[in-house]
Amino acid sequence: AQSVTQPDIHITVSEGASLELRCNYSYGATPYLFWYVQSPGQGLQLLLKYFSGDTLVQGIKGFEAEFKRSQSSFNLRKPSVHWSDAAEYFCAVGSTGTASKLTFGTGTRLQVTL
Amino acid sequence: DVKVTQSSRYLVKRTGEKVFLECVQDMDHENMFWYRQDPGLGLRLIYFSYDVKMKEKGDIPEGYSVSREKKERFSLILESASTNQTSMYLCASTEMGEKLFFGSGTQLSVL
Repeated sequence: AQSVTQPDIHITVSEGASLELRCNYSYGATPYLFWYVQSPGQGLQLLLKYFSGDTLVQGIKGFEAEFKRSQSSFNLRKPSVHWSDAAEYFCAVGSTGTASKLTFGTGTRLQVTL
Repeated sequence: DVKVTQSSRYLVKRTGEKVFLECVQDMDHENMFWYRQDPGLGLRLIYFSYDVKMKEKGDIPEGYSVSREKKERFSLILESASTNQTSMYLCASTEMGEKLFFGSGTQLSVL
């Protein structure tokens, strides 16, 4: 069965600092990988996704993520965080057969200090 | 703009009541999903549907059922609500392999 681990429950960074949110997945074949963001009081929004090809994917709002098969990881990064990035971030994995059926991680809550 | 609409933002019900959560999408998507979101547990899949009248159990289907009589509408039913079903319920829809479009959620409290 597929699974996702987000080891950091809560992260605090200063505005302007770089950010890396960790995600490890467990899946037998090539996974479909996603990062979603949930801002306070908002629905979930897709930041980026990886299906195949270039292992470094670019997303919206200046985010990027790198797929590392050897480490079963798909970490999310941003070079300079803005206060508006404060939100909860979810990593998710889907199978190649049913890419729409996603398994989500438990989330990482990002706090940004000014 | 695409839309997934959940009928209620907040809902308070009593233990033992039958509860209906409604979700409508206007994108002609084949696939629809019901998740529940709990602090520290993330999103967990309850049921999904890949076509009208078709449904499959997700990871935590116990205590829930679903109905999909029309393509645009996917209903989640709590046959006899219990306090451990107090949660945020999220509906989503998608075409195969594409991103999920989420509704804004229904916060259900069972007293």
